[in-house]
Amino acid sequence: NAGVTQTPKFRILKIGQSMTLQCAQDMNHNYMYWYRQDPGMGLKLIYYSVGAGITDKGEVPNGYNVSRSTTEDFPLRLELAAPSQTSVYFCASSYSPASYDTGELFFGEGSRLTVL
Amino acid sequence: AQSVTQLDSHVSVSEGTPVLLRCNYSSSYSPSLFWYVQHPNKGLQLLLKYTSAATLVKGINGFEAEFKKSETSFHLTKPSAHMSDAAEYFCVVSGGTYKYIFGTGTRLKVLA
Repeated sequence: NAGVTQTPKFRILKIGQSMTLQCAQDMNHNYMYWYRQDPGMGLKLIYYSVGAGITDKGEVPNGYNVSRSTTEDFPLRLELAAPSQTSVYFCASSYSPASYDTGELFFGEGSRLTVL
Repeated sequence: AQSVTQLDSHVSVSEGTPVLLRCNYSSSYSPSLFWYVQHPNKGLQLLLKYTSAATLVKGINGFEAEFKKSETSFHLTKPSAHMSDAAEYFCVVSGGTYKYIFGTGTRLKVLA
């Protein structure tokens, strides 16, 4: 049981390039999330998904896109990278964020992205 | 709407002394509350969670937290700090929506 797996762990992009951060979970969780973490700012929600084929914007979606074609995978696409997207990106999943027994978030180890 | 405030951005304690990390929350729903720990250059690990059961929650590594509805607080404590506790700690609120709201974090420093 690998949990939540993110790739790549590190990446350097030039301004204007595009890339996809991969995220996969093997816990059969319906809910998946992408966060970015900037120093001293906590985690900000970029996009989330409540199941295959369903995605929605979080607090900071501009410059990003997502898709959810399967329960397991939730890739994050960066189009036209900008220096403001330099950050650490975390993918997370949970089984039940809004019911009586709210499930905790399970996190990947993060992807450190630098845009130069 | 939901929000969470971590009252201290940095806390320093001596090894062997108690730890107190403060968290206040706001929620229109019956909240679920979590504490996560993040060691340098690592992912986030769950310490403990409160989900409408016992108000005193015990977690891993000797940490515990008490849910106080009247004070809208969920402070994290540990009787005796260890050097390995040095890390960043995040308080998180959820409930009623699909979202988890993070505090800005408290960096704990443990002095030898």
